[in-house]
Amino acid sequence: NAGVMQNPRHLVRRRGQEARLRCSPMKGHSHVYWYRQLPEEGLKFMVYLQKENIIDESGMPKERFSAEFPKEGPSILRIQQVVRGDSAAYFCASSPGGNPGEKLFFGSGTQLSVL
Amino acid sequence: DAKTTQPTSMDCAEGRAANLPCNHSTISGNEYVYWYRQIHSQGPQYIIHGLKNNETNEMASLIITEDRKSSTLILPHATLRDTAVYYCIVRVADGATNKLIFGTGTLLAVQP
Repeated sequence: NAGVMQNPRHLVRRRGQEARLRCSPMKGHSHVYWYRQLPEEGLKFMVYLQKENIIDESGMPKERFSAEFPKEGPSILRIQQVVRGDSAAYFCASSPGGNPGEKLFFGSGTQLSVL
Repeated sequence: DAKTTQPTSMDCAEGRAANLPCNHSTISGNEYVYWYRQIHSQGPQYIIHGLKNNETNEMASLIITEDRKSSTLILPHATLRDTAVYYCIVRVADGATNKLIFGTGTLLAVQP
């Protein structure tokens, strides 16, 4: 039973380019969460999605960032026109969905470096 | 969700028990205590959670005080691989949102 899969593991972009980070949840999980961890800082919640719905995007920057979790395929975190300050580790987590207090399972993260 | 307070860092000798404290004095009756850890550069890993009663699993034990205002995570026989940042998180388990809010955690350094 594969865990939460994130790819790519490392992503290098130049300023102004677009970054697409992918997250495949654990089998049977329909809820996905994205977190960002800046260097030497803690994990910050970004967005919480169910299939085809954004449930909570209170942690998403207002501009350049978007997330989706389509009916088929992985969840995508998209960052447009990246800047150096976007360099961070981005973690995805998944949960089965529908159960109060259920555990979140995290992937290994994508390390984004903006040159 | 209630705020938690943890020491910034702790040391523990290999093979000894590691006792990591957490204060959550404003915890509500419907809030659970969760523990996760993050080993350097990896994704957070679930350890254990509880509401009122003490809990034990293959990784650790969780001791919650009777008034629920504090708790202690116990790693019974710490190994070098247990060196990580340990996060104590209080979360309402009502299903409205299952997101976790991470604080700064405790950096546990297990010494040989």
